Amino acid sequence: EDQVTQSPEALRLQEGESSSLNCSYTVSGLRGLFWYRQDPGKGPEFLFTLYSAGEEKEKERLKATLTKKESFLHITAPKPEDSATYLCAVRPPSGSRLTFGEGTQLTVNP
Amino acid sequence: DVKVTQSSRYLVKRTGEKVFLECVQDMDHENMFWYRQDPGLGLRLIYFSYDVKMKEKGDIPEGYSVSREKKERFSLILESASTNQTSMYLCASSQSRGGQPQHFGDGTRLSIL
Repeated sequence: EDQVTQSPEALRLQEGESSSLNCSYTVSGLRGLFWYRQDPGKGPEFLFTLYSAGEEKEKERLKATLTKKESFLHITAPKPEDSATYLCAVRPPSGSRLTFGEGTQLTVNP
Repeated sequence: DVKVTQSSRYLVKRTGEKVFLECVQDMDHENMFWYRQDPGLGLRLIYFSYDVKMKEKGDIPEGYSVSREKKERFSLILESASTNQTSMYLCASSQSRGGQPQHFGDGTRLSIL
């Protein structure tokens, strides 16, 4: 059974304090690992797809990396507007279903 | 940009009512999904559809049904609403071809009284 575990559950940072969120996964053949951002009361917003170990994607202050067992979402010099819940999901080789982690709730204080 | 539109942001219904939640996507995606999201339980898949008139049960289909008569529209039906179906409901869509992400609507906050 596919499994996704995100850590930490919650993270508080000061503005400008860089850190990383972790997504550990178990899937029999990865067809894609996805990062989403979710603001309170809204649906998840797609950020990145990673397909193979060693791949990296960047967008503004966010960088996602992938190994064979985990993915990291690095946040460089975060701002208060980066506060949100970040979700990770994996897609196995067959079918279109995703398995989601429970998310990391990030708070960036000014 | 992908647009997934859910018909209501907030909805209040009574126990025993039949409730319809509607979702429309404008990207000609083959796949559509219904999730519910509850604190501490994360996103749970209720039903999904990979083609018109096709449907598959997700992890928690009990008490729900779905309808997909047109490619762009996917409806979730609560046959007889109960208080434990109070939740945030999220619709998503994706292409079938490999490794494509799901794109989500803004959700419907449903309260059953």
